[in-house]
Amino acid sequence: DADVTQTPRNRITKTGKRIMLECSQTKGHDRMYWYRQDPGLGLRLIYYSFDVKDINKGEISDGYSVSRQAQAKFSLSLESAIPNQTALYFCATSEQGSYNEQFFGPGTRLTVL
Amino acid sequence: EDQVTQSPEALRLQEGESSSLNCSYTVSGLRGLFWYRQDPGKGPEFLFTLYSAGEEKEKERLKATLTKKESFLHITAPKPEDSATYLCAVQGPGTGGSYIPTFGRGTSLIVHP
Repeated sequence: DADVTQTPRNRITKTGKRIMLECSQTKGHDRMYWYRQDPGLGLRLIYYSFDVKDINKGEISDGYSVSRQAQAKFSLSLESAIPNQTALYFCATSEQGSYNEQFFGPGTRLTVL
Repeated sequence: EDQVTQSPEALRLQEGESSSLNCSYTVSGLRGLFWYRQDPGKGPEFLFTLYSAGEEKEKERLKATLTKKESFLHITAPKPEDSATYLCAVQGPGTGGSYIPTFGRGTSLIVHP
């Protein structure tokens, strides 16, 4: 089984709808992250969490919110989806410490019409 | 502000034609430089971490090197299965000692048989 899973894998929705993307991990890592990836723009950080009680905004948090329900679960919500939020979304985890690599989920392809 | 620039944006090679990918960076207090491989529609997969100038790491046909300003990913006698996007990321203290990695936009490598 995959260490970092994301659901759904693909989602098509309409402008104005509320969407939740979910991430679960079995690696036992404290740190979790949400990124979006757009062609030509690379990975951009939306939110990150260092433990259940610690949530931080990334460089592009506007229009998004997150919830860290447990050490293993980190959800990303789009309260009112808009077309420019169409992108590939990745969840990632890493161990505590200042120099540890990240482990990424398989991604969620979101299309907002 | 940490910055990462990868070049070239895209690279086409013939099978067996060795080459190098470049990652130039600016970071205050480098803790680690990471290389990832990303296949289309999938999450990035960790390859290497380099911690200090002069360090080298190898894996199959890939060899990563690090100086104080840049890192190279050397690909020796590539095969079509090496085709992917290669991402570079640096990790420094960042804002408030958060140690969040900064990613480059990647180099898309295509190896023709």
